[in-house]
Amino acid sequence: RKEVEQDPGPFNVPEGATVAFNCTYSNSASQSFFWYRQDCRKEPKLLMSVYSSGNEDGRFTAQLNRASQYISLLIRDSKLSDSATYLCVVAQGGKLIFGQGTELSVKP
Amino acid sequence: GAGVSQSPSNKVTEKGKDVELRCDPISGHTALYWYRQSLGQGLEFLIYFQGNSAPDKSGLPSDRFSAERTGGSVSTLTIQRTQQEDSAVYLCASSLVGDATSYEQYFGPGTRLTVT
Repeated sequence: RKEVEQDPGPFNVPEGATVAFNCTYSNSASQSFFWYRQDCRKEPKLLMSVYSSGNEDGRFTAQLNRASQYISLLIRDSKLSDSATYLCVVAQGGKLIFGQGTELSVKP
Repeated sequence: GAGVSQSPSNKVTEKGKDVELRCDPISGHTALYWYRQSLGQGLEFLIYFQGNSAPDKSGLPSDRFSAERTGGSVSTLTIQRTQQEDSAVYLCASSLVGDATSYEQYFGPGTRLTVT
């Protein structure tokens, strides 16, 4: 079993749609949680950290459920520019463990 | 300011040859990480440096892989006797301190390695 598992993609949605990504992690000792965004043939960039209380950044909302070892990302009012691969990431000590990523394609 | 830089951006090599990949972290960042991303796969952790020492080498896939960091700055990842399964994008990241739970890692553009 992979340490971090994500919904398989791709997700193809129209502009303005709301889309949700889910992720589970296997190591209960994981300490911090993040969503990264990776554009095609580019390096990953931090989108947002994920906290147990849930956190929001504009159209993006991230939530963490430690008991279920589950992380989510909600994107509201999707834009064409949101098209990318979204990586669920877990931090364990000195390293980041990445999920395989979920590809999102937003169409006009 | 300058971000993480990596060289070369692309490398094509024949099976069995050795390759060296270079990473120049953000100035002042003490922690440096190497990952690789195979086609259609997520990033796979290889090794992490805090200063010049490597507290975690657990991700190196075989003894053909080694890395060093000198002067607390530039790092090189060496792959000896390359195999076709080594073909991937090798990404380097740096952070202010080697605590992945609290400090953002900034990634370089990667080196795309193709072993023929």
